Amino acid sequence: DSGVTQTPKHLITATGQRVTLRCSPRSGDLSVYWYQQSLDQGLQFLIHYYNGEERAKGNILERFSAQQFPDLHSELNLSSLELGDSALYFCASSVGGGYTDTQYFGPGTRLTVL
Amino acid sequence: AQTVTQSQPEMSVQEAETVTLSCTYDTSESDYYLFWYKQPPSRQMILVIRQEAYKQQNATENRFSVNFQKAAKSFSLKISDSQLGDAAMYFCAYRNQGAQKLVFGQGTRLTINP
Repeated sequence: DSGVTQTPKHLITATGQRVTLRCSPRSGDLSVYWYQQSLDQGLQFLIHYYNGEERAKGNILERFSAQQFPDLHSELNLSSLELGDSALYFCASSVGGGYTDTQYFGPGTRLTVL
Repeated sequence: AQTVTQSQPEMSVQEAETVTLSCTYDTSESDYYLFWYKQPPSRQMILVIRQEAYKQQNATENRFSVNFQKAAKSFSLKISDSQLGDAAMYFCAYRNQGAQKLVFGQGTRLTINP
């Protein structure tokens, strides 16, 4: 158990809908990262937050948005869902935001868009 | 852009034997970290081992060790005394100074034969 929690574990929804994925980092970690794992794209970085502020964006679609709250938990919002958004979404956390900090991953949320 | 390549989509080994998983990366940076993550059937991403580029000594964690060849940009993972619980997807990942994200390879599926 990495100490990073993600809810829900599974999510099944229809095209065009909006969903919210939640992540709680390890105690003491200030950074939260979101990654998408799909069969065709592999593991792709989406976005990074450090202590409530957005630090970096990766291959994140405009239909997706994220935020980190004062209690440091983070939410990833996916809207106007398409079949291709079906994937495993991981949250990871680290103590700081530096490259020397190891990222610890949560168990992931499996999103299925029908 | 940095890239990570794992040229072995699948590997298999007999229980108690030794296996080596290959990883190469492309970068012009001098300061970076390399990681091996394990993803068992539960889909959880588990950190196996990490290596700092400026350290010449290869990292070891119990039965897991790496062969880091900086000039060749090679970072292989050796698993000794393979156990059934080692069966998983293994991902090589890279992160350089100033970067927020991990860059992952496509993964190697390791099967342990009893």
